[in-house]
Amino acid sequence: DGGITQSPKYLFRKEGQNVTLSCEQNLNHDAMYWYRQDPGQGLRLIYYSQIVNDFQKGDIAEGYSVSREKKESFPLTVTSAQKNPTAFYLCASQTGGNQPQHFGDGTRLSIL
Amino acid sequence: GQQVMQIPQYQHVQEGEDFTTYCNSSTTLSNIQWYKQRPGGHPVFLIQLVKSGEVKKQKRLTFQFGEAKKNSSLHITATQTTDVGTYFCAGTRYIYNQGGKLIFGQGTELSVKP
Repeated sequence: DGGITQSPKYLFRKEGQNVTLSCEQNLNHDAMYWYRQDPGQGLRLIYYSQIVNDFQKGDIAEGYSVSREKKESFPLTVTSAQKNPTAFYLCASQTGGNQPQHFGDGTRLSIL
Repeated sequence: GQQVMQIPQYQHVQEGEDFTTYCNSSTTLSNIQWYKQRPGGHPVFLIQLVKSGEVKKQKRLTFQFGEAKKNSSLHITATQTTDVGTYFCAGTRYIYNQGGKLIFGQGTELSVKP
């Protein structure tokens, strides 16, 4: 979706390194989400934020951290504690409630 | 953990055949959404069903929401190669003190042989 920008498209991480994935939206959405996608496992929720300066852990938060200092931005840091970080990471935003989620193009993270 | 089950995981069809994917939840959902993800792409919202027993159509796609609001299906009539991709259902559950939470099924990957 044009309103959500994820960068970079591809990212390589060295052992013991933290990396940060960017997610920016100009849709004025309150809620933002981070998902991890592995083959055959669908979308698994890492973290979500329903309002600025507040966020909650999803189902697989261990080894990840987030911040929500601005409404437009919800960066995800993959820490060295995440031992199997190779995956496709998707950011999404939503106006709230029962509304559809709008996804960015994703970031593919690999280990060097 | 995963609370919305989707089957089958994979479906291979000949072009022109029909295709159906099923979604089941262990708890009542306030709504069900369907998304399509093309190979190499990101999920794109298709439709939302809210009412018990609701049926909606989009050209060759028919979406149903069960009477108990615990299951849903997507049926594609006469598949085309443009239908290739992974179809996800996602149900909204309201969790005390957390509001609505969208829970995705594992997805059904559809391949269409011309």
